[in-house]
Amino acid sequence: DTGVSQNPRHKITKRGQNVTFRCDPISEHNRLYWYRQTLGQGPEFLTYFQNEAQLEKSRLLSDRFSAERPKGSFSTLEIQRTEQGDSAMYLCASSLGTSGSNEQFFGPGTRLTVL
Amino acid sequence: AQSVAQPEDQVNVAEGNPLTVKCTYSVSGNPYLFWYVQYPNRGLQFLLKYITGDNLVKGSYGFEAEFNKSQTSFHLKKPSALVSDSALYFCAVIGANNLFFGTGTRLTVIP
Repeated sequence: DTGVSQNPRHKITKRGQNVTFRCDPISEHNRLYWYRQTLGQGPEFLTYFQNEAQLEKSRLLSDRFSAERPKGSFSTLEIQRTEQGDSAMYLCASSLGTSGSNEQFFGPGTRLTVL
Repeated sequence: AQSVAQPEDQVNVAEGNPLTVKCTYSVSGNPYLFWYVQYPNRGLQFLLKYITGDNLVKGSYGFEAEFNKSQTSFHLKKPSALVSDSALYFCAVIGANNLFFGTGTRLTVIP
C-alpha cells in the first residue's frame, strides 16, 4: 500500500506526559499537512510543510505542539505536557505540487486519549 | 475568511433513491471546493473537487457535485444510493494553503 501511513494508530497517555506521532506521506508528495479532528467535528488545520520547510501554523497549535519534517519525507508531531483537551484524532495528509488546490490524501489517523 | 456549512447532520435515504448532501460556502475570491468521505476506522477519502470550468463535477464511486455560484452551494449528489455509501461526508474549501472542513453529514442508506 503506497498511501499515507500514520503510527501509532492509537495512543493512550496520562495527563502531563509527552507523546510523538509519525506520518509517512506518499513518497513523491512534497506537501504534508497535520489536522486534528474531535468527535462530531470536521478536521481542523494545524500546520503544513512544503518539503522540509514548515510554512504555516494554525493558532490551534499551542507552544506545547511541535512538528518537524527534517528530510522532507516523514514528519513527526510532538505534544508536550498533554492535557485532556488534546484528546482527538490527529490526521496527516499529503499532496503533490505547490498549489493548495491539489487534492490531499489522508492517512488513517492517530487517536490520542489523554487520561 | 473561508468557510463551508453543512446544514444537515444526518441524511437518510432508501437504497436506489437519489441522494443529496448539502454544502454552502463563504469565500473571498474564487472558491476551490472539495468533497471527502470518511468510513469508520479509515482515513478521509477524496471524492471530487471544483476548481474552475463545468459546474457539474463528476467524482469517484458515481458521485457528482453541482457548483452554484449564485446560491454559493456545492451539493453532493448520486442518482442511485447504495447501502455501501453509508458514511460521514465532509465538504471543504481551500484557504490560502489548507482545507477548511464543514462539520460533516452522516449519510445512512436504508436497505
